[in-house]
Amino acid sequence: DADVTQTPRNRITKTGKRIMLECSQTKGHDRMYWYRQDPGLGLRLIYYSFDVKDINKGEISDGYSVSRQAQAKFSLSLESAIPNQTALYFCATSDSQGGLRQPQHFGDGTRLSIL
Amino acid sequence: GESVGLHLPTLSVQEGDNSIINCAYSNSASDYFIWYKQESGKGPQFIIDIRSNMDKRQGQRVTVLLNKTVKHLSLQIAATQPGDSAVYFCAENGPTSYGKLTFGQGTILTVHP
Repeated sequence: DADVTQTPRNRITKTGKRIMLECSQTKGHDRMYWYRQDPGLGLRLIYYSFDVKDINKGEISDGYSVSRQAQAKFSLSLESAIPNQTALYFCATSDSQGGLRQPQHFGDGTRLSIL
Repeated sequence: GESVGLHLPTLSVQEGDNSIINCAYSNSASDYFIWYKQESGKGPQFIIDIRSNMDKRQGQRVTVLLNKTVKHLSLQIAATQPGDSAVYFCAENGPTSYGKLTFGQGTILTVHP
């Protein structure tokens, strides 16, 4: 979905480095999410934010942090990367208008490799 | 914990056939379900959703069926085309999950010309 842009698309880095993945959206949605995808597993929620002042942990938040700089921007940081954080990372957005039951829309992901 | 899973990890069909992808969920309180399609190198793409007060919903060439009695969800794709080849995920949302989706593992659909 071109309305949800993730940068970088690919990144290779070393153990112990700090990494930031960025997500921006032009959909005007208030809710944003970060997921991780590993081979053979579905997407797992890392963090989510329902508005600029709201940050919540997902099911696998350890080792990650986030920042919601604006309604349209949500970044994910790995403070000290480790090899088992090698994965595909996806950002998603959804709209609170119409209630809680709204689909999420995803970016095309960042492929992160930690050596 | 709560989980959403799939019966079949892979499905191969001939072009023009109908495809059925299945999903079982374990949380009886789940009240919202979504099917996503993921092509190689791309993020999941929304296909269709259904709320628990419905048992069937149709879109363009796709139909989702929900059987709450046995906690089963299916995606039917009519006249499957090579462009339908992808990984398909079901996801569910419970009434207290505040928009957090739980995803299944995915089914790989391969359409042969």
